[in-house]
Amino acid sequence: SQTIHQWPATLVQPVGSPLSLECTVEGTSNPNLYWYRQAAGRGLQLLFYSVGIGQISSEVPQNLSASRPQDRQFILSSKKLLLSDSGFYLCAWSRLSGTSGRGSAYEQYFGPGTRLTVT
Amino acid sequence: EDKVVQSPLSLVVHEGDTVTLNCSYEVTNFRSLLWYKQEKKAPTFLFMLTSSGIEKKSGRLSSILDKKELFSILNITATQTGDSAVYLCAVSSGNTGKLIFGQGTTLQVKP
Repeated sequence: SQTIHQWPATLVQPVGSPLSLECTVEGTSNPNLYWYRQAAGRGLQLLFYSVGIGQISSEVPQNLSASRPQDRQFILSSKKLLLSDSGFYLCAWSRLSGTSGRGSAYEQYFGPGTRLTVT
Repeated sequence: EDKVVQSPLSLVVHEGDTVTLNCSYEVTNFRSLLWYKQEKKAPTFLFMLTSSGIEKKSGRLSSILDKKELFSILNITATQTGDSAVYLCAVSSGNTGKLIFGQGTTLQVKP
């Protein structure tokens, strides 16, 4: 069965410090991978997604970047954190689950998340 | 702009009640609609819907999609305190599987 890991679980970082969050998936190959952020009391916002090694698409302009150095590894980074970067960061992977009309349909599963507080 | 709207935003019921949560969407290149349950941690997958009129069911939870009217409902019958959570609706657009989320509905089930 597939498993998705994220670390660390919680992180407190000062403004201006760098960030590196890691996500790995087990039990599947060539998954689509995603980074979401959830601000307190709000819905999930897609930050980045990747359909393969080295392929990164950014959804919103921001202070963050993502990389996919290996098939099942997805990394979220920042060179200098801002207060507004605080939130709950979730990594997800998806698998093809069928077709819908003109295209493919994917089920998507989330990792345990990293709660980041920038002070 | 793609949009997913959930209603109500919050709901308080008593154990044994039946609840209906709503999700409407305006999305280009619709592929599927997904429901998640979130209890102070990561969302857990409930259902994925791709076809209109076909009910998905898991225990006391069920969901159906109307692609003509662009909405879905999630029903929970005989609610229990363990059903208290935020229920998230998301729509998948295009062939990459990326999701657009609604704001969520916070459900509180009182004993």
